[in-house]
Amino acid sequence: QKEVEQDPGPLSVPEGAIVSLNCTYSNSAFQYFMWYRQYSRKGPELLMYTYSSGNKEDGRFTAQVDKSSKYISLFIRDSQPSDSATYLCAKRAAGNKLTFGGGTRVLVKP
Amino acid sequence: DAGVIQSPRHEVTEMGQEVTLRCKPISGHDYLFWYRQTMMRGLELLIYFNNNVPIDDSGMPEDRFSAKMPNASFSTLKIQPSEPRDSAVYFCASRARETSGELFFGEGSRLTVL
Repeated sequence: QKEVEQDPGPLSVPEGAIVSLNCTYSNSAFQYFMWYRQYSRKGPELLMYTYSSGNKEDGRFTAQVDKSSKYISLFIRDSQPSDSATYLCAKRAAGNKLTFGGGTRVLVKP
Repeated sequence: DAGVIQSPRHEVTEMGQEVTLRCKPISGHDYLFWYRQTMMRGLELLIYFNNNVPIDDSGMPEDRFSAKMPNASFSTLKIQPSEPRDSAVYFCASRARETSGELFFGEGSRLTVL
């Protein structure tokens, strides 16, 4: 079992819909959780970061962490074609190693 | 700031050849990471450095892979000899010391070994 699991998609939604992405992890030592966005042929870039259970909002993006269930979610409201990308969840325990999920490819159709 | 700079962006080589990938981290960042990305395995950490010193190389697949960081502004990842299964996108990323863990990635080096 991988430490961080994601559905690879693709997830296709119409423009304006809510995109819901999920991630599970297996190691309860994880302390920091992140979502990265990766456009085609580009490097990943940080979208959201959190270290506690609950919700964190940033504009159209909401990250949700449920440590009891080892479950991480990302919601994108009012999705735009420019949100089409691969979304990677990541976790960092104490230390410096960041472990990534396999990524979910999202397609937002105009 | 120019961000993390990697070269070459694309490399096509034949099996058995030596490959050298290069990375210039963001100035002032203390940590440098090398990742490999494939469809099958996703993003895998190969090795990381702190203040130019290799800290964890447990992700390096085998002795054919080596990485160096001779100074704070330059790192190399070398594969010798290369094999077709090494075909992947190799990313370099850097991080400042006092951040939550945000990695800044370069645009990657796409390696194809024939």
